[in-house]
Amino acid sequence: NAGVTQTPKFQVLKTGQSMTLQCAQDMNHNSMYWYRQDPGMGLRLIYYSASEGTTDKGEVPNGYNVSRLNKREFSLRLESAAPSQTSVYFCASSESGIALYNEQFFGPGTRLTVL
Amino acid sequence: GIQVEQSPPDLILQEGANSTLRCNFSDSVNNLQWFHQNPWGQLINLFYIPSGTKQNGRLSATTVATERYSLLYISSSQTTDSGVYFCAVRLNTNAGKSTFGDGTTLTVKP
Repeated sequence: NAGVTQTPKFQVLKTGQSMTLQCAQDMNHNSMYWYRQDPGMGLRLIYYSASEGTTDKGEVPNGYNVSRLNKREFSLRLESAAPSQTSVYFCASSESGIALYNEQFFGPGTRLTVL
Repeated sequence: GIQVEQSPPDLILQEGANSTLRCNFSDSVNNLQWFHQNPWGQLINLFYIPSGTKQNGRLSATTVATERYSLLYISSSQTTDSGVYFCAVRLNTNAGKSTFGDGTTLTVKP
């Protein structure tokens, strides 16, 4: 039982390049989330998927797209990376976004630097 | 949106000391979690505590939802307790979105 896994662990991009961050969970959770964490700050929600087939914007969605590929996988895409997107990206999952009483479990993070 | 304030922002303790971390939130919530982010960046679930009191070893937490705050107690602190402690809340009306505070950075000195 690996929990929530993310790939890659580290990535360096040049401005304008694109990339996709991958996330998978093996806990049979319905809801999945993408957050970013900037230095000295808490996590901010980028996008979330309450259930397979649905996605919704969070607090800071600009410059990102997401795909809920299936129940296990939720990817985050940067179409044209900018230095302001330099951050640590965390994926999380929870049993259900609809049932209000549930806790989130986090992956190890992806450290992204955009030059 | 909901505001989450954590205090103090920084805390330095001598090993063995006790501490209390506070999380205030601006609206009614039914989902609150405490996390520890260790020096390697990993987020570790400490408590899922929308109300009431829970204890796990040297750590305990209390949430008073009606008064919109939660407290995390660390007793007999150890150097391995160092890191950043976050609380995250979710509104009653919003099943999907959690809001994090900016965290309390704890340093425990030997």
